[in-house]
Amino acid sequence: DGGITQSPKYLFRKEGQNVTLSCEQNLNHDAMYWYRQDPGQGLRLIYYSQIVNDFQKGDIAEGYSVSREKKESFPLTVTSAQKNPTAFYLCASIADTNTEAFFGQGTRLTVV
Amino acid sequence: AQSVTQLGSHVSVSEGALVLLRCNYSSSVPPYLFWYVQYPNQGLQLLLKYTSAATLVKGINGFEAEFKKSETSFHLTKPSAHMSDAAEYFCAVGDSNYQLIWGAGTKLIIKP
Repeated sequence: DGGITQSPKYLFRKEGQNVTLSCEQNLNHDAMYWYRQDPGQGLRLIYYSQIVNDFQKGDIAEGYSVSREKKESFPLTVTSAQKNPTAFYLCASIADTNTEAFFGQGTRLTVV
Repeated sequence: AQSVTQLGSHVSVSEGALVLLRCNYSSSVPPYLFWYVQYPNQGLQLLLKYTSAATLVKGINGFEAEFKKSETSFHLTKPSAHMSDAAEYFCAVGDSNYQLIWGAGTKLIIKP
């Protein structure tokens, strides 16, 4: 079955460490997205990519980095510059503009 | 700029009662509208979408939504709430540039 896979589901990070969240899709979608979700704050866009080797900052890109070397993969790195990284992270993809987004199951990152 | 407003961060209904979750949008072009559901610690799942084919849209789990252009609304309803409907619900509008604009979400609480 086609879908989006995020891994790991739970991730713990020590302060000062970088950590990378994986997102893979086999839907053949061009566009991929990373969102951050905090309690009561809905979805906030971190980065998005519409084609391979190109990506754009979203509303809260500071302290994060991404790459898009393959159509199927859009990993997110949470760097030590991110002041408050504890959150639920969601990856999504869409096939075309004005079509629905498909989501992964999310990664819960906790800084310890 | 397009925007989405969901009235009520929390809505509480009794089991068996009508569910009504409100969504208003602003859009300068004919909108593509979506409702998603999110269960705790999971990704978002599409409930239904409006793409101008019909103003009353039926979705999964007995939910439906009616597009009212004059009111710029796309409210989500279900005739009889079930305990399993307890979740957070998000309304979104497509912006014709590979972006989805999200509402802040409404948490639906079902009272036994």
